[in-house]
Amino acid sequence: NAGVTQTPKFRILKIGQSMTLQCAQDMNHNYMYWYRQDPGMGLKLIYYSVGAGITDKGEVPNGYNVSRSTTEDFPLRLELAAPSQTSVYFCASSYRLTGELFFGEGSRLTVL
Amino acid sequence: AQTVTQSQPEMSVQEAETVTLSCTYDTSESNYYLFWYKQPPSRQMILVIRQEAYKQQNATENRFSVNFQKAAKSFSLKISDSQLGDTAMYFCAFVGRADSNYQLIWGAGTKLIIKP
Repeated sequence: NAGVTQTPKFRILKIGQSMTLQCAQDMNHNYMYWYRQDPGMGLKLIYYSVGAGITDKGEVPNGYNVSRSTTEDFPLRLELAAPSQTSVYFCASSYRLTGELFFGEGSRLTVL
Repeated sequence: AQTVTQSQPEMSVQEAETVTLSCTYDTSESNYYLFWYKQPPSRQMILVIRQEAYKQQNATENRFSVNFQKAAKSFSLKISDSQLGDTAMYFCAFVGRADSNYQLIWGAGTKLIIKP
């Protein structure tokens, strides 16, 4: 049972580059989320999805895009990377909005 | 606006001691859900305990229990007989309705260190 799988675990980007963080879950959850966690801070919601084909902005969506073509996959795309996007990114999924979140191991992104 | 506050940035206790982490929240809703999540140094976040606001009984999971005071909007986590493996960041989270949607709000976290 893999749960939530994120790739890559580490990445260094130059300013202006783009990249996609991959997230996949095998629990047939409808709800999926992308969070960022800055040092010493809690989680901030970037985007979330309530099902295939449906996405919505969270608290800090600027500079990011997502898609949800299947129930399993929820990639996060960073366009024109900026130093402010240096963070640890977590993907999560849940069966319902009020239920337990299952997290991936995180992706540490550094933009130089 | 709904908020979650964890007033203790860092705590440390000796192994086998009991420790209580505090969490307060602000909401005008009557029905909501509260969570404690643990993030060990390996970084994967896992659920510790979940409480539904309409349930009067405090949730318990083995050595972990909560003191849920709805009127005071307080949701503290008690860890009994603490173990080295309890060393982690602990986050309090709130799920409740904001306008027509559910909203999940996170506290800033408490770093807990268990000393041998």
